[in-house]
Amino acid sequence: GAGVSQSPRYKVAKRGQDVALRCDPISGHVSLFWYQQALGQGPEFLTYFQNEAQLDKSGLPSDRFFAERPEGSVSTLKIQRTQQEDSAVYLCASSLGRGKRETQYFGPGTRLLVL
Amino acid sequence: GDSVTQMEGPVTLSEEAFLTINCTYTATGYPSLFWYVQYPGEGLQLLLKATKADDKGSNKGFEATYRKETTSFHLEKGSVQVSDSAVYFCALSSGAGGTSYGKLTFGQGTILTVHP
Repeated sequence: GAGVSQSPRYKVAKRGQDVALRCDPISGHVSLFWYQQALGQGPEFLTYFQNEAQLDKSGLPSDRFFAERPEGSVSTLKIQRTQQEDSAVYLCASSLGRGKRETQYFGPGTRLLVL
Repeated sequence: GDSVTQMEGPVTLSEEAFLTINCTYTATGYPSLFWYVQYPGEGLQLLLKATKADDKGSNKGFEATYRKETTSFHLEKGSVQVSDSAVYFCALSSGAGGTSYGKLTFGQGTILTVHP
């Protein structure tokens, strides 16, 4: 079956440019997470959606980062006025339910390079 | 806050050697524990998990036991193969701070290379 997909897979942006990263979760999955993974590090939580509601955005590094999931399916992570420190792999994950025992299924990630 | 500490890598082994990757954690309450694996060029995928103390997760010959007394979840495999070469991440989900959903906290990852 179809897994989590993300697009684009690679994005090169000039500093100051706005970017939009897309995530298509597994159909029917209630929960959707965004993580940021710096080179050589483990992923770090950015934000969480339960259906269309953004319940936790405590991990977003600054107000330049914005995420949405308007219809409770596809999600977009937007970064405004990109900076070099935004260069990382952005991972999307979805899970069927919402509890702490749930398995999260990860997409392949979008590698963002800000020049 | 929640944290996960993995043994420092990289780890290099010969085929058929025994593997241990140590993982210890700090968390509020009773977290669920996970091992995720990232093969070259691929995304993160769940290797195994355990959701309560003394549970053993297992998959593809890998095992890990949830030890609450030592706050550990060490990954083991009796005989590694070249195809096991990958990056391994230990993670937890505690549901702390009112977050009843499964926000994951990851360790820094351990690179495993297995030579023929």
